[in-house]
Amino acid sequence: AQSVSQHNHHVILSEAASLELGCNYSYGGTVNLFWYVQYPGQHLQLLLKYFSGDPLVKGIKGFEAEFIKSKFSFNLRKPSVQWSDTAEYFCAVNVKRDDKIIFGKGTRLHILP
Amino acid sequence: DVKVTQSSRYLVKRTGEKVFLECVQDMDHENMFWYRQDPGLGLRLIYFSYDVKMKEKGDIPEGYSVSREKKERFSLILESASTNQTSMYLCASSSGSTAGGLYNEQFFGPGTRLTVL
Repeated sequence: AQSVSQHNHHVILSEAASLELGCNYSYGGTVNLFWYVQYPGQHLQLLLKYFSGDPLVKGIKGFEAEFIKSKFSFNLRKPSVQWSDTAEYFCAVNVKRDDKIIFGKGTRLHILP
Repeated sequence: DVKVTQSSRYLVKRTGEKVFLECVQDMDHENMFWYRQDPGLGLRLIYFSYDVKMKEKGDIPEGYSVSREKKERFSLILESASTNQTSMYLCASSSGSTAGGLYNEQFFGPGTRLTVL
């Protein structure tokens, strides 16, 4: 069965630390890839997306993600986190053949001031 | 500013009651979705609709039904609520006319936290 794995369920970092959140999926065909973020008390919103082209995509608030097809991965990165990045982050994969979307279980990121 | 609104932020119902969750979007989006969000499980798709009066089952449709009589409104119905349907319910919409297809950027509502006693 198709699945999306977010390896870290809870991450705690200090401000200015570098961030990498892992996302792997288990489907070999064409996919669209997304990272969504949910700040405390706010709606879920799109952080960035990959459909095709340059595998390194840049999103809002200094986030970026790299699609590595051979590793079935779409990891989220930020070189220097801020306290305001405290949120829950969800990776999502759209399996185009089946036109399904699968969300990962989420990673709670807590930034210490 | 694009907006997806849900009729209630918090709802408490009793087992066996019929429950209606309403969602309205003002972006003229073709596609609308209902998810439930549970701790440690992420988001799971219940139903979606790509046009008025059209509906498709998602991954966990059992115990739920939906209605889309107007483009802007998508309702989730729990015919007979059960305690295992206690959850956060999220509505979302997306435009159907982009390269990303059905699951192009989805815009989410604030959620309805449903408790079934």
